[in-house]
This record gives sequence, structure tokens and C-alpha cells, in this order.
Amino acid sequence: QEQLQESGPGLVKPSGTLSLTCAVSGGSISRYVYWTWVRQSPGKELEWIGDILHTGSINYNPSLKSRVSLSVDKSKNAFSLNLSSVTAADTAVYFCAYSTGWYRLDSWGQGALVTVSS
Amino acid sequence: QSALTQPPSASGSPGQSVTISCTGTSSDVGGYDFVSWYQQHSGKAPKLIISEVNKRPSGVPDRFSGSKSGNTASLTVSGLQAEDEADYYCSSHGGSNNPFVFGTGTKVTVL
Repeated sequence: QEQLQESGPGLVKPSGTLSLTCAVSGGSISRYVYWTWVRQSPGKELEWIGDILHTGSINYNPSLKSRVSLSVDKSKNAFSLNLSSVTAADTAVYFCAYSTGWYRLDSWGQGALVTVSS
Repeated sequence: QSALTQPPSASGSPGQSVTISCTGTSSDVGGYDFVSWYQQHSGKAPKLIISEVNKRPSGVPDRFSGSKSGNTASLTVSGLQAEDEADYYCSSHGGSNNPFVFGTGTKVTVL
């Protein structure tokens, strides 16, 4: 089973861009799974952000679609999240995860806290 | 898309059973057999414990079971143990625009 680890800045200024990377170990990013991002607000609500296949096929949460960009870096065996024009409402713990299908999230990274503040 | 509704808390003594409900609509829980449950210990990542309403991934104790009736799914934890104290979240497929809709979460306390 693949292991996932998020990394990136823990503090982002309002109106800036949040960027996180999820390193995949113990397996290939080219495996046919949906590489996924989920966030958890300080109030503990979970929100699906989007997912990407290694082929580049992407699905986004409609409520975030205009600000989100997902990508895969096969050379680094990793995938990334960019969220633009952030506000305090984007402060959350961001998890990367993967799904082998059937709308389940099989395994999750440990999560990365990102705070939006000046 | 609104979050699925779960009770904020549930509790039971060791050895007892606790059941958590997850109520949605015909557009999510009631419309698909793609309900999952996740266990999250404090400060940790969620862990998949039930998928497709009632399937347990390898390694998940059979004390955990899932079911669904209409627009409401349920998770039952039998033979409660101290390590079951955690937050539990349901999720459901909600159609092509909402592949994952999560529940509001339930904190289970082992008395």
C-alpha cells in the first residue's frame, strides 16, 4: 500500500496561492488510482477538493473549480495542489489521499495545516 | 451540496454497541450504494473502515459493520473498546458533480 506525505508552506498570505505537494512512496504515481485532495476545516468538516489520474484526467469540486489546479509529476512520483486567491476561509488541514474506485478513499497522508493570514 | 447529517456525539461502555446514523437525500445516500465510513483519532488522518455500505477493508475488525435504508446509512460498532474512541465520518457519492459528500462527523466516547 502506498504511503503519502504532504509538504508545503504552513502560512499563506490572503490573496496568495496555496501550494502543496504529496509524495508517493511504496508505489508508482502511474498506478491507476485517483490521487485526491481533501481538506478539513478548523470546525472539522471534511471537503473533497478534487482528484487526478496519472493520465491527467481531473475532477474538481464545483465550489472550488475556479481557483484549484491539480497536477502530477511523474519524475518526482508526486502530485500537487494549487489553490489561488486564498482567504481565511481556506485555513484548514489539507490531506492527500488515493482512491482505487467505488468512491472510497483507501489511504490518506498525515495532513498539512495551512493557515491563511497576513 | 449539503453535508450529510450525523449526530454530534455518541457513547457507550466497553463491550456495548453504538450505532451512528448518516442521513442524506435520494441524490446521495439514497441514490447510490457508495457509502463509506472513516475513523479519525485525534490529530491523525482519517482511516477507511467501511466502503460500499457494508464492506470492510482488510485489517478492519468485524466489530465494525455498515448498513443502509433509504436515505440513511448506519455504522455499528459492537463490543466497544477503548481504542474505538474517535471521530467517525460518513461519505457518499453525490453524482458526477459531487463525487464525495461527507458527513458532519460524530464523536464516539467510550465511557
